[in-house]
Amino acid sequence: QVQLVQSGAEVKKPGASVKVSCKASGYTFSSYAMHWVRQAPGQRLEWMGWINTGNGDTRYSQNFQGRVSITRDTSASTAYMEVNSLRSEDTAVYYCARENRGFGEDYWGQGTLVTVSS
Amino acid sequence: DIQMTQSPSTLSASVGDRVTITCRASQSISNWLAWYQQKPGKAPKLLIYKASSLQSGVPSRFSGSGSGTEFTLTISSLQPDDFATYYCQRYNDYLHAFGQGTKLEIK
Repeated sequence: QVQLVQSGAEVKKPGASVKVSCKASGYTFSSYAMHWVRQAPGQRLEWMGWINTGNGDTRYSQNFQGRVSITRDTSASTAYMEVNSLRSEDTAVYYCARENRGFGEDYWGQGTLVTVSS
Repeated sequence: DIQMTQSPSTLSASVGDRVTITCRASQSISNWLAWYQQKPGKAPKLLIYKASSLQSGVPSRFSGSGSGTEFTLTISSLQPDDFATYYCQRYNDYLHAFGQGTKLEIK
């Protein structure tokens, strides 16, 4: 069965970086794009960007361009999302989600809480 | 960027009611629209893709319609498990933006 398992909760200080992982199983990793979505406490879902897991191409929301990097390791069936220069507003749950091309994001990770606090 | 606007932001309804949530795109997105359900503390769940196609395993009381710039999600007869927040999402290009969400509350 398809599973996306994310790394555990993180607490970071302002200005630091955080890297969240998303390990996929139950399907051919490089055949499906991986998206990242975040949700601040009590707020809406916010799409961040995605990676073509086959060739490594990435696209980012303008809101995150330059501060977020999405990568993948096909040998480990794992996608990564790194946020630099963290600020308190980046406190959120970060989700990875598999895109079934043309069919939306059909499988999601369990979410990773990142807390930014001095 | 194409913006997605949902209405209403909050909807109060009773078990058995028929409810409709609307999502509008600032430009045409053809039928590249999905609907998700999210419960507190949980990841979103895909309900509808391509505006009107029901995701496998989703109850048939959920339906979607629309194309171009205006879309609706309808729940034909609300069940207790349906009280949650619903989001539309466009995926017509490389940028997948969400609407602001509609919280469905028990009246």
